[in-house]
Amino acid sequence: AQKITQTQPGMFVQEKEAVTLDCTYDTSDPSYGLFWYKQPSSGEMIFLIYQGSYDQQNATEGRYSLNFQKARKSANLVISASQLGDSAMYFCAMRELEGAQKLVFGQGTRLTINP
Amino acid sequence: NAGVTQTPKFQVLKTGQSMTLQCAQDMNHEYMSWYRQDPGMGLRLIHYSVGAGITDQGEVPNGYNVSRSTTEDFPLRLLSAAPSQTSVYFCASSLRDYLVRFSTDTQYFGPGTRLTVL
Repeated sequence: AQKITQTQPGMFVQEKEAVTLDCTYDTSDPSYGLFWYKQPSSGEMIFLIYQGSYDQQNATEGRYSLNFQKARKSANLVISASQLGDSAMYFCAMRELEGAQKLVFGQGTRLTINP
Repeated sequence: NAGVTQTPKFQVLKTGQSMTLQCAQDMNHEYMSWYRQDPGMGLRLIHYSVGAGITDQGEVPNGYNVSRSTTEDFPLRLLSAAPSQTSVYFCASSLRDYLVRFSTDTQYFGPGTRLTVL
């Protein structure tokens, strides 16, 4: 069974600094996808970035990048030049890309950006 | 294109009552799913469907029923509500990815339904 572990319940960062949110995963599937979602205080789940297990390069989307280390089974989210609007819960998730294609979430990291 | 819609946004039930949470998507997605989000627990999969007429259980299916008669709709039914079902419920949809190496198969979430069972 897949498992996602986010070991940082909360993080506090100064505005404009870069921040890394940790995510490790466990799966026996050869094919899988890794996602990061942002959940602001308003409650919606916002897709940020995706990394496929066969992708050779780390994914990037604007200020977001995913530091994918397959051998270590880690998929850390890096936010560059943090902004006050980045304050939110961040969830790492994994989706098996064969069979049922279910999505499994970690417990989340609450990021607070200080001015 | 409304994406994924959920109704109602808020609901209060008494123990033993039944209700249906509605979910609809207009993106012609084959894959739809329901999650519940509890404090400190992250999101957990309740049920999912890979296409019309096909449903399966997720991680926490007890107390919930689903059906998928059309591609667009995936309602979640609580037959006899219990206080343990107090939670925020999210519906999500995506393409079913047959070309797993070449597409993002991103799941898009609805705005959520906050359910309280007294």
